[in-house]
Amino acid sequence: DGGITQSPKYLFRKEGQNVTLSCEQNLNHDAMYWYRQDPGQGLRLIYYSQIVNDFQKGDIAEGYSVSREKKESFPLTVTSAQKNPTAFYLCATITRLHGYTFGSGTRLTVV
Amino acid sequence: QKEVEQDPGPLSVPEGAIVSLNCTYSNSAFQYFMWYRQYSRKGPELLMYTYSSGNKEDGRFTAQVDKSSKYISLFIRDSQPSDSATYLCAMSGEGIKAAGNKLTFGGGTRVLVKP
Repeated sequence: DGGITQSPKYLFRKEGQNVTLSCEQNLNHDAMYWYRQDPGQGLRLIYYSQIVNDFQKGDIAEGYSVSREKKESFPLTVTSAQKNPTAFYLCATITRLHGYTFGSGTRLTVV
Repeated sequence: QKEVEQDPGPLSVPEGAIVSLNCTYSNSAFQYFMWYRQYSRKGPELLMYTYSSGNKEDGRFTAQVDKSSKYISLFIRDSQPSDSATYLCAMSGEGIKAAGNKLTFGGGTRVLVKP
């Protein structure tokens, strides 16, 4: 996975519950991203962070929160305010040579 | 209307055939164009990256960009069963090297290469 580890691979959430998706990288990259993928809709940007302790909203940030306390880690919390959280979530970093490098993703399902 | 349109497929071809994929877009500010390959339950991986109009070839893969028509294509020659995947186009007004750069993705085309 190019040094990006996402866990868990599969996650089930009950209605009204917050869940946190983990993303860890050992590539020493500054910028990290969270994308959401739905069937037939491509990837949509949720949040991104260019440096520790700083992050910006993407196109669909409502119902999500992030933190960036360490360079290696960029966890995403899906809150109960996110009404349709079932999707495939992808974490990525960016490099000068290869552009985006994605993790293997977390599939979140509401039960 | 979506900013980037891509036929979802599936596109089924026999092994050895040429696979032809394309995307259309509406934002004339896009200058950087990418193709990603995504296997089932995996993250996308970058296949081709082109800037502005023109062609780029890398092994069995050829990417074409026609900015005047707002149309990009990816061709896969001598297709193999291992090429079976979903192919996503992506584009941006900024280079992929720029931190904070946001890509706009197509919905992906599922390709199946039959032995």
